[in-house]
Amino acid sequence: DGGITQSPKYLFRKEGQNVTLSCEQNLNHDAMYWYRQDPGQGLRLIYYSQIVNDFQKGDIAEGYSVSREKKESFPLTVTSAQKNPTAFYLCASSSSLTSGGLYNEQFFGPGTRLTVL
Amino acid sequence: GQSLEQPSEVTAVEGAIVQINCTYQTSGFYGLSWYQQHDGGAPTFLSYNALDGLEETGRFSSFLSRSDSYGYLLLQELQMKDSASYFCAVSKTGANNLFFGTGTRLTVIP
Repeated sequence: DGGITQSPKYLFRKEGQNVTLSCEQNLNHDAMYWYRQDPGQGLRLIYYSQIVNDFQKGDIAEGYSVSREKKESFPLTVTSAQKNPTAFYLCASSSSLTSGGLYNEQFFGPGTRLTVL
Repeated sequence: GQSLEQPSEVTAVEGAIVQINCTYQTSGFYGLSWYQQHDGGAPTFLSYNALDGLEETGRFSSFLSRSDSYGYLLLQELQMKDSASYFCAVSKTGANNLFFGTGTRLTVIP
């Protein structure tokens, strides 16, 4: 089955520690995204990548870093510089507009709930 | 920048019809999409409008008026399982990424 996986589902970290959230997709999508969701809020874009070895900052990139070394993988590191990292993190992927699609429906992973202790 | 407004909460009776509105402000608007998210779950795509008018997909329909910067999601024959949060999102010309609204929490009551 094609889809997106995120691990772990729940993650606890101490203040001052960096932590990396995994996101893998086997949908052959070029584009991948990371969102943050706080309780009762919408999804805010952290970083996105339209192609391997390239990524751009979203609306709330400060305190986060990403890499895109493989098409299938887009890990997110939450650094100690992120002031309030406790949140629900969602990864998504889509085909690229440059591949001829008129719309890029985004497919989401199950999310990782990060809690800072 | 961009902004989207949608009601924070809506309650409706099982079997009824409910409309969730979304107004947006953005430059380079390309289309409006809708996603559903159950508590603790992942958002899933419902519908997309790039042109004015109504798009129908089963019990769900979505409408767009580009001149009014306005759209809505219409849910018919409501079922208890439709209780969820619904997000509108704008896409911009030439860009893959979406900008999401803060969501409308729909509660369906018996």
